[in-house]
Amino acid sequence: NAGVMQNPRHLVRRRGQEARLRCSPMKGHSHVYWYRQLPEEGLKFMVYLQKENIIDESGMPKERFSAEFPKEGPSILRIQQVVRGDSAAYFCASSPGQGNTEAFFGQGTRLTVV
Amino acid sequence: AQSVTQLDSHVSVSEGTPVLLRCNYSSSYSPSLFWYVQHPNKGLQLLLKYTSAATLVKGINGFEAEFKKSETSFHLTKPSAHMSDAAEYFCVVSDQPLGSQGNLIFGKGTKLSVKP
Repeated sequence: NAGVMQNPRHLVRRRGQEARLRCSPMKGHSHVYWYRQLPEEGLKFMVYLQKENIIDESGMPKERFSAEFPKEGPSILRIQQVVRGDSAAYFCASSPGQGNTEAFFGQGTRLTVV
Repeated sequence: AQSVTQLDSHVSVSEGTPVLLRCNYSSSYSPSLFWYVQHPNKGLQLLLKYTSAATLVKGINGFEAEFKKSETSFHLTKPSAHMSDAAEYFCVVSDQPLGSQGNLIFGKGTKLSVKP
């Protein structure tokens, strides 16, 4: 059973470009979470999704950021018109379902905006 | 609102000596508490979790943590450090079952260095 898979592992974008980060949850997991880790900081919650639904996006910036988890395929975190401040490590986690308190994390995507 | 404070940003120990990484939490309800480890350029791995069962929780790689409600603490310990323990450790709190709210609150992390 493969773990949570994130790709790409490293992503370099110029200011103003779009960044797309992908997350494939563990097999059998229908809940996906995205977190952002800034340098020297802990992880900050961004968004929680189930298949085709956004459950909690209280940690998402109001502009330029969006997330989806379609019926088929990976979850996508999309950042439009990236700025230098978006440079961070973005981690995805998945869990099997409601009431389960353990999340399994991917290895992260390190986004660098130049 | 829930929060987590990791009292040391950096801890250095010698190989074979005990490890203590301190964590205090603030929570409105009975919390679920976790310790995660992050090795350089790797993802996060769950070390152990407390979810209102036994207050002394044993995890992987010889780590354990004790939930002390009176002190609002959940310190991570290991009797004897190994070089491979060098990593960053995060104390995490969740007030709700993960599937209900999906919001883990992370501490800022403690970097553990192990000297030979």
